Amino acid sequence: VLLVESGGGLVQPGRSLRLSCSASGFTLGDYAMSWVRQAPGKGLEWVGFIRTRAYGGSTEYAASVRGRFTFSRDDSESIAYLQMNSLTPEDTAVYYCTTHMGAYDFPDYWGQGTLVTVSS
Amino acid sequence: EIVLTQSPATLSLSPGERASLSCRASQSVGSYLAWYQQKPGQAPRLLIYDASNRATGIPARFSGSGSGTDFTLTISSLEPEDFAVYYCQQRGNWPPYTFGQGTKLEIK
Repeated sequence: VLLVESGGGLVQPGRSLRLSCSASGFTLGDYAMSWVRQAPGKGLEWVGFIRTRAYGGSTEYAASVRGRFTFSRDDSESIAYLQMNSLTPEDTAVYYCTTHMGAYDFPDYWGQGTLVTVSS
Repeated sequence: EIVLTQSPATLSLSPGERASLSCRASQSVGSYLAWYQQKPGQAPRLLIYDASNRATGIPARFSGSGSGTDFTLTISSLEPEDFAVYYCQQRGNWPPYTFGQGTKLEIK
């Protein structure tokens, strides 16, 4: 099982960025996914969740990102996406994609993370 | 939104000692609580799920207990590789899947 995030970098406030999470070693479409972020030197923050296509691919978002961030998934390509709009400096963080492979439904496999820095 | 409060913020112990980390929820989460370990520069690793079940490959020295609002992660005899930051997370009442603020376990 391998998850690899990409797409991070430096972006100006108010701009957009799309992160990708490439999965290998398993069938991405079989599992729900969460995104979690961690601001520099801070704790973990749950960003949101996307269900499998069997459950409509529906999504849940943290209040801090709702209306600005959008999750999607292309199970045929084994890639998940996090579209981030209207970015602010408070969105600066390492972003992790995770899968919920166990029946216990907690994030159990994590990518290595990608750093997003929002600054002018 | 459920708030998870971890204590202590920092715990200083020596290898071989027993560690007890606490996580308290602002309202009941049943048994839907997990514990993660994070080392510098690494992604978190799932240790315990549903309060007391070890995840795959986790050594038996790690154990979890509790239900409702009070939970404990115990490391029976600390190994050098156990010094890290530990987070609890709940899914008993979500969204959101909230995390605690973390406990740093450092070498005394």
